[in-house]
Amino acid sequence: QLVLTQSPSASASLGASVKLTCTLSSGHSSYAIAWHQQQPEKGPRYLMKLNSDGSHTKGDGIPDRFSGSSSGAERYLTISSLQSDDEADYYCQTWATGIQVFGGGTKLTVL
Amino acid sequence: QVQVVESGGGVVQPGRSLRLSCAASGFTFSSYGMHWVRQAPGKGLEWVAFISYDGSNKYYGDSVKGRLTISRDNSKNTLYLQMNSLRGEDTAVYYCAKALGRDSYEPDDAFDIWGQGTMVTVSS
Repeated sequence: QLVLTQSPSASASLGASVKLTCTLSSGHSSYAIAWHQQQPEKGPRYLMKLNSDGSHTKGDGIPDRFSGSSSGAERYLTISSLQSDDEADYYCQTWATGIQVFGGGTKLTVL
Repeated sequence: QVQVVESGGGVVQPGRSLRLSCAASGFTFSSYGMHWVRQAPGKGLEWVAFISYDGSNKYYGDSVKGRLTISRDNSKNTLYLQMNSLRGEDTAVYYCAKALGRDSYEPDDAFDIWGQGTMVTVSS
């Protein structure tokens, strides 16, 4: 079964960096994912599509502070030079034949 | 600019029906698959349905099969979600989202454009 696992919460200080993790279920380590940001009371925003080799395609207007990387079944989103409006929920998404799957989301707090 | 705007949400009694719309602009709507995704209050994202760029292929999440129907009118650049036999657990914000790749016949890609959502509350 295709499942994405994310830690429920993360925190980091203003100006620092944070690395969020999305883990693919066993047998699915070659799958691409996408990262989305959802600020409070807003619709989600596409950040990037991230492949198993770490290559990624960012959405229009997404700053260089956002980057992605991969290792095995783990997919990472790194945000550097944290700003207050980076405080949001971050969701990973993947897909297989006939289905789409979301991780449970990570709530990022900027201290 | 590229955008999608949902409408049609509201308060509806259990067992009744509702139709949501999603108006697309700024891109060639007829070339892209489209999705509906929902988010219950305080919860995460749940994929609801997909329709191929030409409307010929449709997929649904297990929790909505048989009750919700996705459709599109490419002449009007509009996506629809017909919701029948509504239940309390259908209460959510409903988002439409555009598939990343062109000529998407299967739901096998990321979403790159999201709307702001429309709220559906199922309550007596």
